[in-house]
Amino acid sequence: EVQLVQSGAEVKKPGESLKISCKGSGYTFTNYWIAWVRQMPGKGLEWMGIIYPGDSDTRYSPSFQGQVTISADKSISTAYLQWSSLKASDAAMYYCARGSGCSSGCFMDYWGQGTLVTVSS
Amino acid sequence: DIQMTQSPSTLSASVGDRVTITCRASQSISSWLAWYQQKPGTAPKLLIYRASSLESGVPSRFSGSGSGTQFTLTISSLQPDDFATYYCQQYNSYSPITFGQGTRLEIK
Repeated sequence: EVQLVQSGAEVKKPGESLKISCKGSGYTFTNYWIAWVRQMPGKGLEWMGIIYPGDSDTRYSPSFQGQVTISADKSISTAYLQWSSLKASDAAMYYCARGSGCSSGCFMDYWGQGTLVTVSS
Repeated sequence: DIQMTQSPSTLSASVGDRVTITCRASQSISSWLAWYQQKPGTAPKLLIYRASSLESGVPSRFSGSGSGTQFTLTISSLQPDDFATYYCQQYNSYSPITFGQGTRLEIK
């Protein structure tokens, strides 16, 4: 069974750093892209970027380029999303999802349960 | 960026109704379109990919059609479990992948 299990909810202060994780199981982790998607409270889905764990090829949405870093450790089948300095506007639910049918883009067939990030002074 | 525009933003319907949600792309995306369902407090769920291919395990009352810039998601006979928010997503290009703004399907 394919599963993506994300790390738990985080409460941080503005300016702090954060790294959240997404562990894949039930499939060959290095053969599929992993995407990160943001959902701000009461809002829609925003694609942040995607990584191919097999070779760490990474693509970012222009809206998130330079704001976050996406990485992966294929030895432990885990992808990461990190911030060096959080802002209040980073407060959101963050989902990882497996990319499938990828050619010039991917749809997402399996999703993690989400990680809620709260940023408050 | 390829802009994805869904209509309507909110749709009120009754159990048993046939409903259609439309998604329009700002430029041609061939058939590189997916549809997702999201219920409150849960992750999105893939329903349709490549515009009309039904994801395994998704009920056959869901169907997708279209190509180029105009796409539709149809639910043939609404069930209580279908009241949720629906998103389209284009994957014609990574630069960037984009979602529609969502359509909230509510009980009339």
